[in-house]
Amino acid sequence: QVQLQESGPGLVKPSQTLSLTCTVSGDSISGGRYYWSWIRQPAGKGLEWIGRIYTSGSTNYNPSLKSRVSISVDTSKNQFSLKLSSVTAADTAVYYCARGGDYFDSSGRFDPWGQGTLVTVSS
Amino acid sequence: EIVLTQSPGTLSLSPGDGATLSCRASQTFSSGQLAWYQQKPGQAPRLLIYGASSRATGIPDRFSGSGSGTDFTLTISGLEPEDFAVYYCQQYGSSPWTFGQGTKVEIK
Repeated sequence: QVQLQESGPGLVKPSQTLSLTCTVSGDSISGGRYYWSWIRQPAGKGLEWIGRIYTSGSTNYNPSLKSRVSISVDTSKNQFSLKLSSVTAADTAVYYCARGGDYFDSSGRFDPWGQGTLVTVSS
Repeated sequence: EIVLTQSPGTLSLSPGDGATLSCRASQTFSSGQLAWYQQKPGQAPRLLIYGASSRATGIPDRFSGSGSGTDFTLTISGLEPEDFAVYYCQQYGSSPWTFGQGTKVEIK
């Protein structure tokens, strides 16, 4: 079955750049059927979609984060990555990667999700 | 940005009860472009419903979704012990995709 796994530092200093990678197994990013997304969730709070990437490298970002976020893809490793610059304590959250949406039917549903990784912004 | 408001914030119910969760959008969006997710403590969300009313693979038929326009509903008929969790709605009809703040279904 399709599985996604986030990896990266769990602690980032304020003003630095948060970097995470999502490794996909059981599906091929280069297959072209899906977008691949990042979503985050501060502790005890709701979910925020960060952005998505397609196999071509085309991206869409949430305007609330657009000036600080970059998502890239490495189809040779079947991975996609997130960079969030100039982080503050407000960026402390569990970060999830997920498959979604569906490129062909324009569906933006997320399925499946990675298990999530906690990133804490602190000096 | 479309704001999704879920109600109630918390539902206190007993196993076997039915649950009705509401999700209201601040404006209309592309027809039926709404999903529901279930999240248990320490776990990632799980897709339950997409297209407002289609069940995802492996989801029991006690979960059903309905609605259109700006008002959507998730119904759980006969709560099982494993259904006590937080439920989120999400719209993907208008960018940026957004989530509701969640409804917690807790054991009474």
